[in-house]
Amino acid sequence: EPEVTQTPSHQVTQMGQEVILRCVPISNHLYFYWYRQILGQKVEFLVSFYNNEISEKSEIFDDQFSVERPDGSNFTLKIRSTKLEDSAMYFCASSVGDLGGYTFGSGTRLTVV
Amino acid sequence: DQQVKQNSPSLSVQEGRISILNCDYTNSMFDYFLWYKKYPAEGPTFLISISSIKDKNEDGRFTVFLNKSAKHLSLHIVPSQPGDSAVYFCAASKIRNTGKLIFGQGTTLQVKP
Repeated sequence: EPEVTQTPSHQVTQMGQEVILRCVPISNHLYFYWYRQILGQKVEFLVSFYNNEISEKSEIFDDQFSVERPDGSNFTLKIRSTKLEDSAMYFCASSVGDLGGYTFGSGTRLTVV
Repeated sequence: DQQVKQNSPSLSVQEGRISILNCDYTNSMFDYFLWYKKYPAEGPTFLISISSIKDKNEDGRFTVFLNKSAKHLSLHIVPSQPGDSAVYFCAASKIRNTGKLIFGQGTTLQVKP
C-alpha cells in the first residue's frame, strides 16, 4: 500500500538552529499538509499546499516556518530558528482529494535543546 | 480552540463487546468528519468518514453516526478486538478532504482479552 515517508524519524537540534523536515508524499496525491502534535496535546494543523503554493496556514505557521516542494516528489518543512516550544511530532500528510481521507506519515520527532 | 472535543480521555472494553467513542463539535460550518486511529510512534491512520449530508456510514466493524442537530458524532466498533487498542481521534473539516482538519484531543481505547 502506498505510504507517506518522513525523514528523519527523530531530530535533535540546538535552539536557534535551522531544521528541515522531509516528506515524500504519495505520488499521485495533489494536496500536501504539515501538522504537529506537542506531547500530550492535540494534533494541530500547520499548513496546506496545493498547486505549488500555500493554500492555507494556521497562526502557528509564522515567518519562522516555510514549506517547499523542490523537485516534484519531496515536500519539506523548514524552521528557520528553532525554539524550545517547537519540540513536537511533525506529521506530513497528503491527499488525492477523494473520500479516502488523508494519508499521514509516521512523523518526525523534533527535540529542541 | 475547542471546536472539536472528545470528552473521554480513555475507554476500556472487553473483547467482543461494543466500543463507543464520542465526539462533539461547535462549528456548524464543518461539512465532513473523519475518525483516525493512532498507535505510538506512528502517524494517524484513516478509519472512516462521514459527510454532513448523511447520518450514518458503515465499514465492516466500524460505524460512524452523525447527529447534526446535537453537533455530535460517535464511532462504534463491533465486535471490539485487542488489536483495536489505540488512540482514536475525531477530526472535522469545512471542505471535504482538501481542507485543514481540526482534531479532537483523542480517546485511548483499551480492549481487554
